[in-house]
Amino acid sequence: RKEVEQDPGPFNVPEGATVAFNCTYSNSASQSFFWYRQDCRKEPKLLMSVYSSGNEDGRFTAQLNRASQYISLLIRDSKLSDSATYLCVVNGAATGNQFYFGTGTSLTVIP
Amino acid sequence: GAGVSQSPSNKVTEKGKDVELRCDPISGHTALYWYRQSLGQGLEFLIYFQGNSAPDKSGLPSDRFSAERTGGSVSTLTIQRTQQEDSAVYLCASSPFGGSYEQYFGPGTRLTVT
Repeated sequence: RKEVEQDPGPFNVPEGATVAFNCTYSNSASQSFFWYRQDCRKEPKLLMSVYSSGNEDGRFTAQLNRASQYISLLIRDSKLSDSATYLCVVNGAATGNQFYFGTGTSLTVIP
Repeated sequence: GAGVSQSPSNKVTEKGKDVELRCDPISGHTALYWYRQSLGQGLEFLIYFQGNSAPDKSGLPSDRFSAERTGGSVSTLTIQRTQQEDSAVYLCASSPFGGSYEQYFGPGTRLTVT
């Protein structure tokens, strides 16, 4: 079983729509969780960390469900500029220093 | 301030040759990571440095791969006797302290082995 699994999509949504991505992780001892964004042929960039209590940054909301071992990302009022691949990232609990990246969920926001 | 830089941005090499990839992390960041990303695949962890030491080399795919970091700053990833399956984008990231802190990525080196 992969450490981190994501639905690859693609998700094609109209501007203004709300879209949600989920990601599951296999190691219940994992402590750190992130969402990164990767544009085509570019490096990943941190979108937001995911805290146990959930957190919000503008149109983006991240949630962590430890019992079910998944994290989610909600994007409200989608913009054309949100089109990208969204990577779920979980740290490996054994050392805390190895990070596992999902293969990403592709989002295209359509005018 | 300056971000993570990597060189070269693109490298085409013949099968069997050795290549060196360089990473300059953000100044002051103690943790440095190497990953590779093949077409359509997720990032694959290769190695992690804390300062000059590499406590986690578990991701290096074979003994043809090695990495070093000097002065707690610049790192080089060396691939000896390159194979076609080594073709990928090699990404370097740095982090202020490692552990649970977020990572900042460089633009990557696109390696093509012909």
